[in-house]
Amino acid sequence: GIQVEQSPPDLILQEGANSTLRCNFSDSVNNLQWFHQNPWGQLINLFYIPSGTKQNGRLSATTVATERYSLLYISSSQTTDSGVYFCAGAPKGGYNKLIFGAGTRLAVHP
Amino acid sequence: EPEVTQTPSHQVTQMGQEVILRCVPISNHLYFYWYRQILGQKVEFLVSFYNNEISEKSEIFDDQFSVERPDGSNFTLKIRSTKLEDSAMYFCASSEPAEQYFGPGTRLTVT
Repeated sequence: GIQVEQSPPDLILQEGANSTLRCNFSDSVNNLQWFHQNPWGQLINLFYIPSGTKQNGRLSATTVATERYSLLYISSSQTTDSGVYFCAGAPKGGYNKLIFGAGTRLAVHP
Repeated sequence: EPEVTQTPSHQVTQMGQEVILRCVPISNHLYFYWYRQILGQKVEFLVSFYNNEISEKSEIFDDQFSVERPDGSNFTLKIRSTKLEDSAMYFCASSEPAEQYFGPGTRLTVT
């Protein structure tokens, strides 16, 4: 099956710093999504981005589908950005099941 | 803003008991899913459901699991005889078909 690799696994930032999280896929995917899992365990949708670039406030994401990777940029990080960031993609030809990466655990310190 | 809801938020059950986890997907969505996340691990796909039948299921989704859409709004996951290793957060999700939206999860603890 498809493999989803996220890097780095852990990241510690000072408030105000910028960061880039990466997601690599072993095969082409549909329906690529980024999520933030908050301390209460909820999965919050950040981006639905099968290709191209999107921005939402301090967050932006870019997916290069032909090279099977996606990047999530966090600028001017805040303590509320702490948590785990997951990317997930649906294998082509399937019924939209999402395959998740292991996540990047982000801690932002004041 | 429409959202996926799940009940209960936390369920404690004894090994061997049956549990039913409930979900109300977003009303105009057509595809429904269950995922689970064992503490500290990645989110894993269990099953997808479309047009009143299972469209895909994972190896985890064995005979002790079943799903049902008993009416026009609810979507349920039943675990017939719970095991200790079923302890996890269970997420329901729905989509139109593409972007999936997740509920807040039900934390299942099997003792």
